[in-house]
Amino acid sequence: SQQGEEDPQALSIQEGENATMNCSYKTSINNLQWYRQNSGRGLVHLILIRSNEREKHSGRLRVTLDTSKKSSSLLITASRAADTASYFCATALLQGAQKLVFGQGTRLTINP
Amino acid sequence: NAGVTQTPKFQVLKTGQSMTLQCAQDMNHNSMYWYRQDPGMGLRLIYYSASEGTTDKGEVPNGYNVSRLNKREFSLRLESAAPSQTSVYFCASSGPAGGRLDTQYFGPGTRLTVL
Repeated sequence: SQQGEEDPQALSIQEGENATMNCSYKTSINNLQWYRQNSGRGLVHLILIRSNEREKHSGRLRVTLDTSKKSSSLLITASRAADTASYFCATALLQGAQKLVFGQGTRLTINP
Repeated sequence: NAGVTQTPKFQVLKTGQSMTLQCAQDMNHNSMYWYRQDPGMGLRLIYYSASEGTTDKGEVPNGYNVSRLNKREFSLRLESAAPSQTSVYFCASSGPAGGRLDTQYFGPGTRLTVL
């Protein structure tokens, strides 16, 4: 079964707006990662946040992690057309190291 | 560096046929993975290899076998393909060993259709 569930499944916004995607998971984790997938391509790693971290930034990306609620959010600020893609959260479990469990993804469309 | 490469990019099989998907990485990573991605779903782990000489089952291993040929190469074999194995297959690799999970680097995928 999927460890992570993402919300919303699809999001459509205007260029320049901020996009927020959420991820919930079920079991304790070592870290949580976000990946982007452009249509027909492989996944590209965006950012990793460890279980003892609450917030992390990378360029226009901001990730938060709330381990008490078992949830994470990815914020993309000042969105661009090139941000159109699917975004996946992936959790690394405390046991079974070196395995990631992916959510179903959020399909983000940025309208010009 | 090419990163993670996969061959072939596309493949059509008939039910019962066999084939091997090839994956290679040139980043000197210890760990390699095979995932499948079905429409509207995230990736599901089929098999992984934590280090050269070891392989372990993931979430959906039935119908597949793997070989870690050397540190660079990790192949996935379908012995008798079934329509339920129609999917996009991704290979990935990650860095240091010793149980520490690092970020994964993905290949471009193989789109497999089983008729």
